[in-house]
Amino acid sequence: NAGVTQTPKFQVLKTGQSMTLQCAQDMNHEYMSWYRQDPGMGLRLIHYSVGAGITDQGEVPNGYNVSRSTTEDFPLRLLSAAPSQTSVYFCASTAGQGNYGYTFGSGTRLTVV
Amino acid sequence: GEDVEQSLFLSVREGDSSVINCTYTDSSSTYLYWYKQEPGAGLQLLTYIFSNMDMKQDQRLTVLLNKKDKHLSLRIADTQTGDSAIYFCAERKYNFNKFYFGSGTKLNVKP
Repeated sequence: NAGVTQTPKFQVLKTGQSMTLQCAQDMNHEYMSWYRQDPGMGLRLIHYSVGAGITDQGEVPNGYNVSRSTTEDFPLRLLSAAPSQTSVYFCASTAGQGNYGYTFGSGTRLTVV
Repeated sequence: GEDVEQSLFLSVREGDSSVINCTYTDSSSTYLYWYKQEPGAGLQLLTYIFSNMDMKQDQRLTVLLNKKDKHLSLRIADTQTGDSAIYFCAERKYNFNKFYFGSGTKLNVKP
């Protein structure tokens, strides 16, 4: 199994541009989330989804949109990129209730200039 | 709140034991996890403990949970240079699928 696949691995954007970070999982996991990782701040939850058609905001949702039209895919859209969105973005999924931890993708390193 | 706190750095010599500590604030957490992140990679699940357990051992890893003090620790026995990484603790709330992560502890293992 591929697990959680994120594309692209690296991206440079100009301020004001928009783009979509892709995330796909092949484990039939119900729950998916997007995190951003900044130095000294750990991982902060941007948006999450508990199933197809259901999404909700996390701690830092401003400037980002998500949708979950299928179980497999959970894209993250940056509407108008800002330098403060320079970060490493991780997508993660988990099967559901219980002891299941998250399975993480390998990350997208985004720089906004 | 959902504050999960860790010290930022730990340095040990190869062959010694490493102890990485974590405190959390929400007593309703059901599972607590330890993740490892190597440079340029995503987070890899190392181990977890259910909140009604005090200890869990898995090969070189020992997890201790003090629920009264809301303190979690990860002990790595016979630490190797390959253990150098950032270690994150995370808590998961009952009937909830949000995970809250600490800021990570960077473990440096000196040869």
